[in-house]
Amino acid sequence: AQSVTQPDIHITVSEGASLELRCNYSYGATPYLFWYVQSPGQGLQLLLKYFSGDTLVQGIKGFEAEFKRSQSSFNLRKPSVHWSDAAEYFCAVAAYNNNDMRFGAGTRLTVKP
Amino acid sequence: EAGVAQSPRYKIIEKRQSVAFWCNPISGHATLYWYQQILGQGPKLLIQFQNNGVVDDSQLPKDRFSAERLKGVDSTLKIQPAKLEDSAVYLCASSSPGHLSGNTIYFGEGSWLTVV
Repeated sequence: AQSVTQPDIHITVSEGASLELRCNYSYGATPYLFWYVQSPGQGLQLLLKYFSGDTLVQGIKGFEAEFKRSQSSFNLRKPSVHWSDAAEYFCAVAAYNNNDMRFGAGTRLTVKP
Repeated sequence: EAGVAQSPRYKIIEKRQSVAFWCNPISGHATLYWYQQILGQGPKLLIQFQNNGVVDDSQLPKDRFSAERLKGVDSTLKIQPAKLEDSAVYLCASSSPGHLSGNTIYFGEGSWLTVV
């Protein structure tokens, strides 16, 4: 079955600095990949998704992610972080034609003023 | 547009008691999901409905968990009897029709369960 690893449990960045959150997946074929954000006490909100085509995906709130098949990665990036970006970020993978979407354990982002 | 509604938001029960969570998906969404999110972990799919039929319940602990979506709209997730390890947030989500069709899954704010 497919699986996701988010190597960083907690990341702290200064406001205005760039951000990269790592995500590695395991799946034998082309995966469907997602990034979600969860603020405290809230449900998950989809930031972006990759199904096929251009490997650089643009999402909401200025986020982007790049699918790299050779590295089995789908890292999330943002050029300039805002204090409101502080939240938990989850990477998820789904297999083609499989409804089971597997989430990583999440990366908690803290933004310093 | 109203989002996915869940209730209750918070519940504390003793082990071996039962609990039920209710979910009202976004109007018109045929697909409904229940996820379990244990503290420090990502959400885990418990069950997925397409209208009132079950698509996937492979990770649902069927000896104690049950879920139904009788009329293809609202859904109820029940735990009986509860164990300490069931303490988690139970997230309901919906999409139209399924996320692999390119449609976004919308999540509710979750029902927080503490089993003591």
